[in-house]
Amino acid sequence: LAKTTQPISMDSYEGQEVNITCSHNNIATNDYITWYQQFPSQGPRFIIQGYKTKVTNEVASLFIPADRKSSTLSLPRVSLSDTAVYYCLVGENQAGTALIFGKGTTLSVSS
Amino acid sequence: EPEVTQTPSHQVTQMGQEVILRCVPISNHLYFYWYRQILGQKVEFLVSFYNNEISEKSEIFDDQFSVERPDGSNFTLKIRSTKLEDSAMYFCASSSGTGVTNSYNEQFFGPGTRLTVL
Repeated sequence: LAKTTQPISMDSYEGQEVNITCSHNNIATNDYITWYQQFPSQGPRFIIQGYKTKVTNEVASLFIPADRKSSTLSLPRVSLSDTAVYYCLVGENQAGTALIFGKGTTLSVSS
Repeated sequence: EPEVTQTPSHQVTQMGQEVILRCVPISNHLYFYWYRQILGQKVEFLVSFYNNEISEKSEIFDDQFSVERPDGSNFTLKIRSTKLEDSAMYFCASSSGTGVTNSYNEQFFGPGTRLTVL
């Protein structure tokens, strides 16, 4: 399994764009990059997944460079409700595969 | 929007007692999972279940743990003889496996059951 490294914590203000970078130097050819979000006392929630280049959905964008050794989750114009832990996961996009979580990045958004 | 539900939300038990945590996965999903999160620590995979059998389990999932899908809707986790270190939040998750959502392996988590072992 590819090891992931991401910042332990980040601070931001409302309305700012937040970029969380994850490094995964040992990513395998079949691996996808997936980000989950977890609010306090709740289960994790899928945000976005990508394999290469850029993926965008209604919540976030995911930027993946050509070498795929890192990825950046971009949250546009964060609000207080975006305060959560964000996890970067790397693994096969295969149904039934266990999700292996790291410690994640705790994002704190203040006004 | 369909969601995974779990009961109870909080379970307090004495060390050595058996507990059963219950989950109702999203109705058309085929894959089911249990994870746990000790307070302040990361989410840890316990077990995955497909086609009425365990497909993968972690080292944490020892003989004290068992899972069952007793009917077409419920998915349970049993801990036979609880230990103090079993105190954690237990999350059930499910996935469709069909790729109709964002990912073949997008897992939908329930709100969790907080297990406290005294």
